[in-house]
Amino acid sequence: DTEVTQTPKHLVMGMTNKKSLKCEQHMGHRAMYWYKQKAKKPPELMFVYSYEKLSINESVPSRFSPECPNSSLLNLHLHALQPEDSALYLCASSQVGTVRETQYFGPGTRLLVL
Amino acid sequence: GESVGLHLPTLSVQEGDNSIINCAYSNSASDYFIWYKQESGKGPQFIIDIRSNMDKRQGQRVTVLLNKTVKHLSLQIAATQPGDSAVYFCAENQGYSTLTFGKGTMLLVSP
Repeated sequence: DTEVTQTPKHLVMGMTNKKSLKCEQHMGHRAMYWYKQKAKKPPELMFVYSYEKLSINESVPSRFSPECPNSSLLNLHLHALQPEDSALYLCASSQVGTVRETQYFGPGTRLLVL
Repeated sequence: GESVGLHLPTLSVQEGDNSIINCAYSNSASDYFIWYKQESGKGPQFIIDIRSNMDKRQGQRVTVLLNKTVKHLSLQIAATQPGDSAVYFCAENQGYSTLTFGKGTMLLVSP
């Protein structure tokens, strides 16, 4: 099973709202990732968690706040977003995160900020 | 800087044809590559990978070729089907979780 699940599938929020995106995997992977993907563009890495610790933050604005409660769950808390933050947010996981390995992606959450 | 890119943004083929999607990379130190398929409204789906100690790797209806001399990667899809219509990304794993994607090629398969 190489399934990564994400909720919600779609989210519309105003610029003053607070919302959270959720990601879950049960493959025993110890590395989890958040990517942002704009239309017709490749995914761009935002955050990496390895063994539940934040290991990479690609200079993402503080209005995006990741959280890894345990090895199976990854959250992305959203606050005071801008319309340009509208995008597909993808979660991925891999076995370890410290070697060259395949990342498996979830279906994404399509976010619209009004 | 170093980058991974694609030669063709859109490829149109007839059902049953073989498709070839190309990717150029510029980091000669790269040693692991992945091809992903992304259908409309979905996340990228792993297709096949290859490490730099190999020139060719085959899966079900797909073959990846790696030419390290010219830093070129290709994905071959045999007997292309309408369900293969999607955007295909090559990606380079630069180590420690960093996955760099190419720009993507849209494959359109006509019945």
